[in-house]
Amino acid sequence: AQKVTQAQTEISVVEKEDVTLDCVYETRDTTYYLFWYKQPPSGELVFLIRRNSFDEQNEISGRYSWNFQKSTSSFNFTITASQVVDSAVYFCALSEARNAGNMLTFGGGTRLMVKP
Amino acid sequence: GAVVSQHPSRVICKSGTSVKIECRSLDFQATTMFWYRQFPKKSLMLMATSNEGSKATYEQGVEKDKFLINHASLTLSTLTVTSAHPEDSSFYICSARGSGRTSDTQYFGPGTRLTVL
Repeated sequence: AQKVTQAQTEISVVEKEDVTLDCVYETRDTTYYLFWYKQPPSGELVFLIRRNSFDEQNEISGRYSWNFQKSTSSFNFTITASQVVDSAVYFCALSEARNAGNMLTFGGGTRLMVKP
Repeated sequence: GAVVSQHPSRVICKSGTSVKIECRSLDFQATTMFWYRQFPKKSLMLMATSNEGSKATYEQGVEKDKFLINHASLTLSTLTVTSAHPEDSSFYICSARGSGRTSDTQYFGPGTRLTVL
């Protein structure tokens, strides 16, 4: 069985602060995919990143970075120098490789509020 | 690339009527589409998986006669909420599985907010 836990339900920061969103997952599979999606107030889920279980290299994309640690089953997401436009709900998700593209298991989401 | 649209974005209807929601993959062919339901401040709940040309697979607890899904082409899936009631009010989101290199990723539509009076 798969499970994704986002322990932080809400985070509030002031603009320009760095913020890390935690994601811990459980799976019995050795091959799997991890995802982060952003859901702004408009409701659409925006794909941010996909990482497969064999690639533990951390990734940076502009102000976004992701830290994948298989040893702790975590896939944390950091926003550097946060901006008001980063305010959204962020979901971490997992799919097993044999069902890659199917059967997404979502975490409960973390609501990030960035205040000016 | 990998754009998914949904129509309508918002619908208000009277109790007892049926509502159809369309999900389209605009720049890729999607053999598999998914329908989710999201309650306020909650995560997404998968309702069903829709495969082109075959019957949808519904998750446990989802009434297939209530939520009719049709996936008639590689770019279009529809969800019809039949005889809608106020408890069906929710945010419905579809996603489409990418193709080729992105076949392991779901791309989501903008969602449809259904309000049943």
